[in-house]
Parts: sequence; structure tokens; C-alpha cells
Amino acid sequence: EPEVTQTPSHQVTQMGQEVILRCVPISNHLYFYWYRQILGQKVEFLVSFYNNEISEKSEIFDDQFSVERPDGSNFTLKIRSTKLEDSAMYFCASTLRRGTEAFFGQGTRLTVV
Amino acid sequence: AQKVTQAQTEISVVEKEDVTLDCVYETRDTTYYLFWYKQPPSGELVFLIRRNSFDEQNEISGRYSWNFQKSTSSFNFTITASQVVDSAVYFCALSGDNNAGNMLTFGGGTRLMVKP
Repeated sequence: EPEVTQTPSHQVTQMGQEVILRCVPISNHLYFYWYRQILGQKVEFLVSFYNNEISEKSEIFDDQFSVERPDGSNFTLKIRSTKLEDSAMYFCASTLRRGTEAFFGQGTRLTVV
Repeated sequence: AQKVTQAQTEISVVEKEDVTLDCVYETRDTTYYLFWYKQPPSGELVFLIRRNSFDEQNEISGRYSWNFQKSTSSFNFTITASQVVDSAVYFCALSGDNNAGNMLTFGGGTRLMVKP
């Protein structure tokens, strides 16, 4: 069964360092997303990506964040200078088309120390 | 703006009891989609069901059933004869047809604990 895969599963980084979270969405899906979940809280939308560009982003997704789809399979989230409050579980997701269910990766737990 | 409210933050039941998780939503979109996701202790988000706004037919899948009522903007989820393996956080989510990003707006989640 096709699935969304994320690497690494856990990343620990020092405040101020850059991190790149990686995702391989389901191959025939057209929409890609990043969400985050601070421990014990709700899942929050960060950014959506369609047709090789950002289609929407939330207030959380400031200039410190960027996304890329460098080739036909990978989808990355970069945080340029991490802050303590960036510590969270980051989920990648993809959907086949508008209105269809999103399939989520297993998440990357980012810990900023 | 879209909003999803799950008023029950935590529910505790004994195995074999039925339990209903409430979800109320707000949207200005005429076409929208509603979802339920399960987040077990291992942390992943597992898709359970999707409903279109134009299809109010209720659905049953094994021990799970969903009651979609447009008149009250609710999309409630019932687990019949709950089992310990049902223990998880359950999220209701909404996606509207008019948002460019096609993203999901999640409710705050309901933590369900099923005790043996």
C-alpha cells in the first residue's frame, strides 16, 4: 500500500541551527502539505504546495521556513534558524486532488535545545 | 474562516461501552469535506473517514459509525462496543472548496481512554 515516508523520525538540534525535514509523498498525489503538532496540542497547518509552488501558508510559516520539491519524489521543509518554540512533531501529508483524504507520514519529532 | 470544535477534550469509558465523539464545524464554503483521523499512542495520524457536504447519508463501518447533520453543522463519530485498542486521540477536520491550499483545519482532538 502506498504511503508517505518521512525522515528522520527524530531530530535534535541546537537553537539557531538549520534543519531540513524530508518527505516522500505518495507518487501519484498532486498536493503536498506540512503540518505541525506541538506536544499535546492540535495539528496546525503550515503550508500547502501544488504545481511546484506554494498555494497557501499559515501565519506560522514565516521567513524562517521554506519548502522545496527538488526532484520528482522528495518534498522538504527547511527551518533556517531554529528556535526553542519550533520543537514539535512535523507531519508531511499528500492528497490525490482537492477534497480527498490526506495521507500523513509518521512524523518527524524535532527537538530544539 | 473555518473552525472545528471538539468540545470533549477527554473521555473515559469501560470496554464494551458505546461512545460518541462530538464535532461541530463552521465554514462559509458551500462545498466542503469533513474527516476523522485517529492518533494512537505511537503518534501517527490515521485516516478514518471522509464526507462531502452534499452527502448527508450516515455511514457505518464495523463498530464505527458517523452521523453528519448539516442543519446543526455536526459530524459526530460513534464507536460501538469500544475496545482497549480504540484508545487514542481522535481529530475531526474540515477542508473547504474555496481555500486555495486545500488544507485541513483540525479540531482540538478528543482523547479517548478505554479501560479493560
